[in-house]
Amino acid sequence: GENVEQHPSTLSVQEGDSAVIKCTYSDSASNYFPWYKQELGKRPQLIIDIRSNVGEKKDQRIAVTLNKTAKHFSLHITETQPEDSAVYFCAASKPRGFSGGYNKLIFGAGTRLAVHP
Amino acid sequence: DGGITQSPKYLFRKEGQNVTLSCEQNLNHDAMYWYRQDPGQGLRLIYYSQIVNDFQKGDIAEGYSVSREKKESFPLTVTSAQKNPTAFYLCASSSAAGSEAFFGQGTRLTVV
Repeated sequence: GENVEQHPSTLSVQEGDSAVIKCTYSDSASNYFPWYKQELGKRPQLIIDIRSNVGEKKDQRIAVTLNKTAKHFSLHITETQPEDSAVYFCAASKPRGFSGGYNKLIFGAGTRLAVHP
Repeated sequence: DGGITQSPKYLFRKEGQNVTLSCEQNLNHDAMYWYRQDPGQGLRLIYYSQIVNDFQKGDIAEGYSVSREKKESFPLTVTSAQKNPTAFYLCASSSAAGSEAFFGQGTRLTVV
């Protein structure tokens, strides 16, 4: 079945440094890869997403890269700030028409990011 | 005010009892999901529904049941067959395949 592995499980950086979180997916039919941020006690919220027809996407300090051949994608946060501290989840889903359920959104186990002032 | 609402926020259940968690959305989304969140284990998919009157098992469906009689509603029942039901439950919805999923605020279920 589908599986998404995420590393590292915890990440500690100094304010201003960059942070990188990596995910690997198992189903080559997957074509949508969102990243969610969950602050303590709150619901997960989308911060950036990428589709399989794009190799990289950037939004201010956040960027996501996708390597379809290797079936992995990464989240890059530059110039980290204390408010970036949260749990980050990657996810993957595949489009309509594939067996096993389209739009079945599968999440990685999460990365707890701590940014120290 | 559009969004996805879960209720209650906190729920206590005695062992052997069934309990139903509510999830309602007014976003006109076709797809709805239930996830279970345990510390260090991320979001595990319990059930999902692509359309009214249809739903599919996720990775950890045993001990849970759902219904999708209305587009707006996707209630989750935690049955007595679920051996370790204490967890944080999140409901989500999305408009179509490959689109943003919006989450409710979650229900924390505790078995006492």
